[in-house]
Amino acid sequence: EAEVAQSPRYKITEKSQAVAFWCDPISGHATLYWYRQILGQGPELLVQFQDESVVDDSQLPKDRFSAERLKGVDSTLKIQPAELGDSAMYLCASSLVQGAAYNEQFFGPGTRLTVL
Amino acid sequence: KQEVTQIPAALSVPEGENLVLNCSFTDSAIYNLQWFRQDPGKGLTSLLLIQSSQREQTSGRLNASLDKSSGRSTLYIAASQPGDSATYLCAVRPGRDDKIIFGKGTRLHILP
Repeated sequence: EAEVAQSPRYKITEKSQAVAFWCDPISGHATLYWYRQILGQGPELLVQFQDESVVDDSQLPKDRFSAERLKGVDSTLKIQPAELGDSAMYLCASSLVQGAAYNEQFFGPGTRLTVL
Repeated sequence: KQEVTQIPAALSVPEGENLVLNCSFTDSAIYNLQWFRQDPGKGLTSLLLIQSSQREQTSGRLNASLDKSSGRSTLYIAASQPGDSATYLCAVRPGRDDKIIFGKGTRLHILP
């Protein structure tokens, strides 16, 4: 069964360092999402791509976070510099087409980031 | 602004019992509602998706209902098993092209 792949699964870094997360969506899925989930909370959308274009990055802290999906397939989320408050689970999801009926999002296993 | 609330935050029940998880949302104008399961330290698994025109969806021992007028959805789990222990998240999509809004989840523990 097709799955969303993410790496690394775990990342420990010191504050002020740079970190990067990678996501490979399900083949053929045009829409890709990055979420941040703080422990005990629901996921919050950071950025949404339709193919290679950003559709929504209103909640992305652009002073330190960046995301790209250059060829409209896999995506990278970067944080530089990392801060203590960035410790969270970073989830990637994909869906077939944005806004389609029964548009179901499929999630990857996530990357657990700990900033020391 | 749409807000999604899940009560209780945590629930423990003996194995074999039927149980109901609750989700409420503040704006009844929604496109769809989705229930997810999340195991500790893992990603989300979609359980059921209910379109705004539907009243319920069923999958195995799971049944999700939707009452838009009252801003409520319930997830019914029949004959609970220890393997059902997880966090269950409710998510609402306000409009077709809107981002989905998650609740904080209900952490369920099934006692063997």
